[in-house]
Amino acid sequence: DQQVKQNSPSLSVQEGRISILNCDYTNSMFDYFLWYKKYPAEGPTFLISISSIKDKNEDGRFTVFLNKSAKHLSLHIVPSQPGDSAVYFCAASDLTGNQFYFGTGTSLTVIP
Amino acid sequence: EPEVTQTPSHQVTQMGQEVILRCVPISNHLYFYWYRQILGQKVEFLVSFYNNEISEKSEIFDDQFSVERPDGSNFTLKIRSTKLEDPAMYFCASKTLGGTGELFFGEGSRLTVL
Repeated sequence: DQQVKQNSPSLSVQEGRISILNCDYTNSMFDYFLWYKKYPAEGPTFLISISSIKDKNEDGRFTVFLNKSAKHLSLHIVPSQPGDSAVYFCAASDLTGNQFYFGTGTSLTVIP
Repeated sequence: EPEVTQTPSHQVTQMGQEVILRCVPISNHLYFYWYRQILGQKVEFLVSFYNNEISEKSEIFDDQFSVERPDGSNFTLKIRSTKLEDPAMYFCASKTLGGTGELFFGEGSRLTVL
């Protein structure tokens, strides 16, 4: 049962433009959402998170939006840079904050 | 900056052999995890560990797998008899207890089964 879904396996964006990565979830009990970035042959690294009590969290070029009614979140990267090229995983955790569910990832390519 | 370290970075083994993957979580973290990623697929949860026992495990984590915290710093994943479907990157992660907060992942151990 895939509780966290990333329906776009890949995305290509021109340098300087906005990258929008999408994520949907099915479990209304999820309370905390995270985005991880992963380069080949490395472990995922935490990028940004959002609590269910918020609808937006911003950190520099990265903004995460949460739409609880639609069970949807998105990551915006503005402006996109070639170094942003990586696989991005969406994750959600339950109320305990100790169990995490990951999406299948979206491979972002930023074209110089 | 504190980090999760994993060894070996690459383990090559024969089918049917036992494999132990080692992890040193961040020192003040209390929750420990193993995830795996088969090439081209999603990051899959295997097991979480807290207070010296398994707190949750997935369907993947069958009797072939076991975890242990043999001392105050190491956290190991053992595969008793490797199968052809076991090759993957195995990631260890750790977290402080409860509340909001992210998982910190290690660099991963690649398992190759011949």
